[in-house]
Amino acid sequence: GDSVTQMEGPVTLSEEAFLTINCTYTATGYPSLFWYVQYPGEGLQLLLKATKADDKGSNKGFEATYRKETTSFHLEKGSVQVSDSAVYFCALKTSYDKVIFGPGTSLSVIP
Amino acid sequence: GAGVSQTPSNKVTEKGKYVELRCDPISGHTALYWYRQSLGQGPEFLIYFQGTGAADDSGLPNDRFFAVRPEGSVSTLKIQRTERGDSAVYLCASSLKGADEQYFGPGTRLTVT
Repeated sequence: GDSVTQMEGPVTLSEEAFLTINCTYTATGYPSLFWYVQYPGEGLQLLLKATKADDKGSNKGFEATYRKETTSFHLEKGSVQVSDSAVYFCALKTSYDKVIFGPGTSLSVIP
Repeated sequence: GAGVSQTPSNKVTEKGKYVELRCDPISGHTALYWYRQSLGQGPEFLIYFQGTGAADDSGLPNDRFFAVRPEGSVSTLKIQRTERGDSAVYLCASSLKGADEQYFGPGTRLTVT
């Protein structure tokens, strides 16, 4: 069945370091792909999305490119800030509108 | 405008009891989702409504779980004969029909003792 796999955390980085969080998926058809973020004490919110192959989603300095050939949607940011500390979830939406989330990756950024 | 709201925010119940969790979606959103999130895990899909009907209920773990959305707006997730393993945060999300972005509520933390 459809599934999403993410790199295990927690990930700890120093401020201004480069961030990559790996995400791969298994799905039939052509899903839409998402990164959601959950800041401490807050609800889940959409960070970025891509709806077809080779699309790049971007927001708040984060980027992810929909790679159909490698079934991946890795999240990257060139210079993280303390305020980026959160849990990041990769997700896919099937053609039947069902949404599958990965297990989440916790990021801590230290000054 | 108002976001997705869920009540109660916390619910503690004894094993074997019946519980109802309520979700008020954003006005005009026809799609409504229920998820269950255990500690350290991602949200696990339970059921998806498009309007009043359940378009996909394949995530409901067993027949103790049931959800309704009689008027296409508010939804109630019902759990019968609760078990300790049902303890989790239950999340609701809504979206416009055909839209990709879901808007999540704050969740209901259910604890079964």
